[in-house]
Amino acid sequence: EPEVTQTPSHQVTQMGQEVILRCVPISNHLYFYWYRQILGQKVEFLVSFYNNEISEKSEIFDDQFSVERPDGSNFTLKIRSTKLEDSAMYFCASIPETVTDGYTFGSGTRLTVV
Amino acid sequence: AQSVTQLDSQVPVFEEAPVELRCNYSSSVSVYLFWYVQYPNQGLQLLLKYLSGSTLVKGINGFEAEFNKSQTSFHLRKPSVHISDTAEYFCAVSRLGGKLIFGQGTELSVKP
Repeated sequence: EPEVTQTPSHQVTQMGQEVILRCVPISNHLYFYWYRQILGQKVEFLVSFYNNEISEKSEIFDDQFSVERPDGSNFTLKIRSTKLEDSAMYFCASIPETVTDGYTFGSGTRLTVV
Repeated sequence: AQSVTQLDSQVPVFEEAPVELRCNYSSSVSVYLFWYVQYPNQGLQLLLKYLSGSTLVKGINGFEAEFNKSQTSFHLRKPSVHISDTAEYFCAVSRLGGKLIFGQGTELSVKP
């Protein structure tokens, strides 16, 4: 069964450093998403991406965040200058043209900012 | 805008007992409804979804949910739970192609 792949599974970074979280969505999917889950809290929407541009973003997704689909297969989330409060599990998700099969999530990247 | 409320943050239950995890939503437009399960230290796995048609939806692992438009609810049920069902369960809504909005989650704890 096709999967959404996320790397790395765990990343530790120092406050103020830049991090890039990587995702490979399912190949025929068209909509891509990043979500965040702070430990013990609910899953929060960050950004959606369609047709090579951001289609929607949340209040969390400020100027420190950016997304890119550099080569038609990878979908990346960059945090320019990490803060302690960016520590969370980050999930990538994708869907095809319609949502008939549901949103497929990757297994997540646990980001720890120290 | 859409929102989701999961009415119980924790549900303890004994093995082989029935369980219902409650979910209510609000939306001014038609939405799609989902239940996801998250096992400890793992990602989100789709349990079931309601897009249209029959209001009773069957999913994996013996779970089912019923869409009730008048009560704006989408409660998840299982007639007999196993220890392995211990996990966090999230109800979520979306519009076509739109973002998923999650509820706060319900921690199901199945005891022997």
